[in-house]
Amino acid sequence: EAGVAQSPRYKIIEKRQSVAFWCNPISGHATLYWYQQILGQGPKLLIQFQNNGVVDDSQLPKDRFSAERLKGVDSTLKIQPAKLEDSAVYLCASSLELHTDTQYFGPGTRLTVL
Amino acid sequence: AQTVTQSQPEMSVQEAETVTLSCTYDTSESDYYLFWYKQPPSRQMILVIRQEAYKQQNATENRFSVNFQKAAKSFSLKISDSQLGDAAMYFCAYSPRTSGTYKYIFGTGTRLKVLA
Repeated sequence: EAGVAQSPRYKIIEKRQSVAFWCNPISGHATLYWYQQILGQGPKLLIQFQNNGVVDDSQLPKDRFSAERLKGVDSTLKIQPAKLEDSAVYLCASSLELHTDTQYFGPGTRLTVL
Repeated sequence: AQTVTQSQPEMSVQEAETVTLSCTYDTSESDYYLFWYKQPPSRQMILVIRQEAYKQQNATENRFSVNFQKAAKSFSLKISDSQLGDAAMYFCAYSPRTSGTYKYIFGTGTRLKVLA
């Protein structure tokens, strides 16, 4: 079974520019998560989707971050405009459904903001 | 607040030896899960082992086992017969069952070095 796919693997941008990350979860997984992992820290949940609806976005900085999962499969996370402190690895994870405890992670996108 | 603490930023172990990584958590919940994930340099988080809070029996997966002490809120990972491929960051994660959904809270990680 194919795992969680993410692209790009690396991205370098200047501050105030925009960037978008893409995630394709494991086939059949209804729940999708985006995490931010700053160097030296554990991942922090940004947003959780169930199909194409948002379950929890309480830790998403909504003034600059947005995410969507329009058809309930792929998801896009956008940052506009980027700040230096947004430099991190952005991890996508999926689980079978909302009430499933185990999450499966993608390889992440490493973002560097200069 | 629910928190996860990994007090060992870095650990070293000789190949074929045993090492234990520590994790404590703070919660008032009774229904939750605990996980250990491995993150190699490739950044892919890989599930190592999972423990259900209502089960008293400690989880085991081949060379990996946990010591789950619910009253002490402690969840340590023991790696036996350490191999070079075990070298990675290890993250402890706590997931309470809130409103029927699960969200992970991660610790800051422990970097494990395996010496040949």
